[in-house]
Amino acid sequence: EPEVTQTPSHQVTQMGQEVILRCVPISNHLYFYWYRQILGQKVEFLVSFYNNEISEKSEIFDDQFSVERPDGSNFTLKIRSTKLEDSAMYFCASTGTVRTDTQYFGPGTRLTVL
Amino acid sequence: KNEVEQSPQNLTAQEGEFITINCSYSVGISALHWLQQHPGGGIVSLFMLSSGKKKHGRLIATINIQEKHSSLHITASHPRDSAVYICAVGGNYGGATNKLIFGTGTLLAVQP
Repeated sequence: EPEVTQTPSHQVTQMGQEVILRCVPISNHLYFYWYRQILGQKVEFLVSFYNNEISEKSEIFDDQFSVERPDGSNFTLKIRSTKLEDSAMYFCASTGTVRTDTQYFGPGTRLTVL
Repeated sequence: KNEVEQSPQNLTAQEGEFITINCSYSVGISALHWLQQHPGGGIVSLFMLSSGKKKHGRLIATINIQEKHSSLHITASHPRDSAVYICAVGGNYGGATNKLIFGTGTLLAVQP
């Protein structure tokens, strides 16, 4: 069964460093999302992406964040200058050709900022 | 006020018990999702529903659109059902997006 994959599973970085979190959505999917979950808190929406552009972003998704689909398969989330409060689990999700269909989640990347 | 509220926050049950987790929401939705999150962190979609009732194995999900309320039931619970169960809603919020708004989750522990 097709699945969403994410790499790395765990990333440790120093405050102020740039990180890139990678996701490979299911191959024929068109709608892509990043969510994050701070330890002990609920999952929060970061950004949605469709047709090679951001369709919606949350207040969390400030100028330090960017997303890209560089080659038609990967979907990346970049944090330019990490802060301690960026430490969280980051989930990628994708949906097929119907926007309101089930979202399939990747296993997550745990980001730890020291 | 949270847009998606779940109850209870924590639930401990004995193996074999019938379990109910509730979800109320305050926003317009296109569909409600029930998700399962295991200790390792991964999220798995269990149900997506916009009306009525769905059943998959021992899991049953219902939704009442007028009441803005959904329930997830687990029949004949088993220790392997122990996980966090999350309610999330998706809606026609405009544009090419179907962002999900999540509840805080219900931590279920089923004891043998």
